[in-house]
Amino acid sequence: EAGVVQSPRYKIIEKKQPVAFWCNPISGHNTLYWYLQNLGQGPELLIRYENEEAVDDSQLPKDRFSAERLKGVDSTLKIQPAELGDSAVYLCASSPRAGGYTDTQYFGPGTRLTVL
Amino acid sequence: AQSVTQLGSHVSVSEGALVLLRCNYSSSVPPYLFWYVQYPNQGLQLLLKYTSAATLVKGINGFEAEFKKSETSFHLTKPSAHMSDAAEYFCAVSIQGAQKLVFGQGTRLTINP
Repeated sequence: EAGVVQSPRYKIIEKKQPVAFWCNPISGHNTLYWYLQNLGQGPELLIRYENEEAVDDSQLPKDRFSAERLKGVDSTLKIQPAELGDSAVYLCASSPRAGGYTDTQYFGPGTRLTVL
Repeated sequence: AQSVTQLGSHVSVSEGALVLLRCNYSSSVPPYLFWYVQYPNQGLQLLLKYTSAATLVKGINGFEAEFKKSETSFHLTKPSAHMSDAAEYFCAVSIQGAQKLVFGQGTRLTINP
């Protein structure tokens, strides 16, 4: 069974440019997460989807970040415009059930963003 | 709000020695606790989790952790370190109704030959 797929793996852009990350979760997983991982830190949740609904986006900086999960399958996270401080690894994860707070979350390899 | 503290950002042990990675949590309600491992340039992989069943939890690759409510701890151990154990380890807490993981800052484990 394929794991969580993310693309691109690496992205280098100049500040003020837009950037988008794509995630395809494990087939059949209802819940999808986007995390931000700064260097030397643990991941921090940006947004959680249950099917196509964003049920927790309290940590998403909505002035520049947006996300969508059309049809409740794959998802895109966008930053516009990017700032130097956005340089980090963006991780996508999925878990089987909505409301499954003990479920294992399965993580993709991440997209490493560098903003110059 | 719940939180996790990992004591020691970097732990170094010799091959064959005991591995002990420390994790303390703060939660006003019964927590669910997880240990994840991250190898270079890879995503996080679950090692083990505590979900209110047995307090001693066994995971993959010979790791285990014990939930101690009185000490608010969930330390990760392995009796004999292997070179392949070198990685970043994250402790995380989840609570009922929140369905999000709150991670510690991570501990980098180095294995010396």
